[in-house]
Amino acid sequence: ELKVEQNPLFLSMQEGKNYTIYCNYSTTSDRLYWYRQDPGKSLESLFVLLSNGAVKQEGRLMASLDTKARLSTLHITAAVHDLSATYFCAVRVHNAGNMLTFGGGTRLMVKP
Amino acid sequence: NAGVTQTPKFQVLKTGQSMTLQCAQDMNHNSMYWYRQDPGMGLRLIYYSASEGTTDKGEVPNGYNVSRLNKREFSLRLESAAPSQTSVYFCASSERWGGDTTGELFFGEGSRLTVL
Repeated sequence: ELKVEQNPLFLSMQEGKNYTIYCNYSTTSDRLYWYRQDPGKSLESLFVLLSNGAVKQEGRLMASLDTKARLSTLHITAAVHDLSATYFCAVRVHNAGNMLTFGGGTRLMVKP
Repeated sequence: NAGVTQTPKFQVLKTGQSMTLQCAQDMNHNSMYWYRQDPGMGLRLIYYSASEGTTDKGEVPNGYNVSRLNKREFSLRLESAAPSQTSVYFCASSERWGGDTTGELFFGEGSRLTVL
């Protein structure tokens, strides 16, 4: 059974600081996704990581994937209040069709 | 372009009542999904449909049924609602898995269900 674990579960940080969210998964995967969810809203796709060593950046967010370590990171640079949200990683199991398994989410609060 | 549309957005049921959540997508996607979201547990897959005419169980299918009505529509039915089914339900769609497709999911706005 695939397990996807994120840490930390909750992160409170000051504006301007850097931090990293970690996503560990328990079995071989060939796709990893990062989503953002604002309170009471839907999930918005941030990044799709397709191969080992993949790195993608959008604004103050950068995601990377190490398939050998079964680890993805979401790095936040110089955080701003608008980044406050819950972030989820999701993993597609190799040869398991269209099923994504989600981590429990990291709730990020950026204080002015 | 509406994307993925779910109805209703809110619903309150009594234990034992039945209801159907409707989902439609206009992105010509082959695959559709139903997830539930509970506090601290992320999203858990209930059922999915890889393509029109097929459905498969996900992680938590008990107490639910689904129908892939056509390529656009995928409904979720609770035959006899229980308080444990109080949750936020999300429908999603994606291109069919395989080849160069990313498999990225596009989500609806969610349906908040309370079972008393």
